[in-house]
Amino acid sequence: DGGITQSPKYLFRKEGQNVTLSCEQNLNHDAMYWYRQDPGQGLRLIYYSQIVNDFQKGDIAEGYSVSREKKESFPLTVTSAQKNPTAFYLCASSYYRDSDGYTFGSGTRLTVV
Amino acid sequence: AQTVTQSQPEMSVQEAETVTLSCTYDTSESNYYLFWYKQPPSRQMILVIRQEAYKQQNATENRFSVNFQKAAKSFSLKISDSQLGDTAMYFCAFFMDSNYQLIWGAGTKLIIKP
Repeated sequence: DGGITQSPKYLFRKEGQNVTLSCEQNLNHDAMYWYRQDPGQGLRLIYYSQIVNDFQKGDIAEGYSVSREKKESFPLTVTSAQKNPTAFYLCASSYYRDSDGYTFGSGTRLTVV
Repeated sequence: AQTVTQSQPEMSVQEAETVTLSCTYDTSESNYYLFWYKQPPSRQMILVIRQEAYKQQNATENRFSVNFQKAAKSFSLKISDSQLGDTAMYFCAFFMDSNYQLIWGAGTKLIIKP
């Protein structure tokens, strides 16, 4: 079955560490997105990529980095520069310029310990 | 800038009742699409319904229907015969052809009581 997979489901980070969240899709979607969700709040866009080897900053890119070396994969690195990284992270994908909406992964809960 | 506003942070209704969630948006675009997404306690985002702005007819998916008022820039979601499984956060979202991105509302937490 086609879908989008995020791993791990739960992730713990020590202060000063970088961590990488995985997002893989087998839907042949061109575009991929990373969102951050804080308790009781909506989705805020971190980064997005519409084609391989290209990505754009979203509204809250500071302290995060991404890569898009393969169409299927769009990993997100939460760097030590992100001062408040504890949140729920959602990855999504879609066809480029497609108005059918996004398909979402099941999310990663990141906690700083 | 385009914005999406959901004015009801939280709502609760009894099982089997009908509930309407509000959403308004602001845009100068003429061609766009509107969505309602559901996020249950599992936190998986699920597409509920989609509306094309150039279509007069309101979209319907089983118990879910929308009331799309283009002139008023309003896009409400009606859930009929509500079920316990409808308990979730509901997000309204807006998509423009000009930048190919979804703009999200802050969400409404819907609780269905037995």
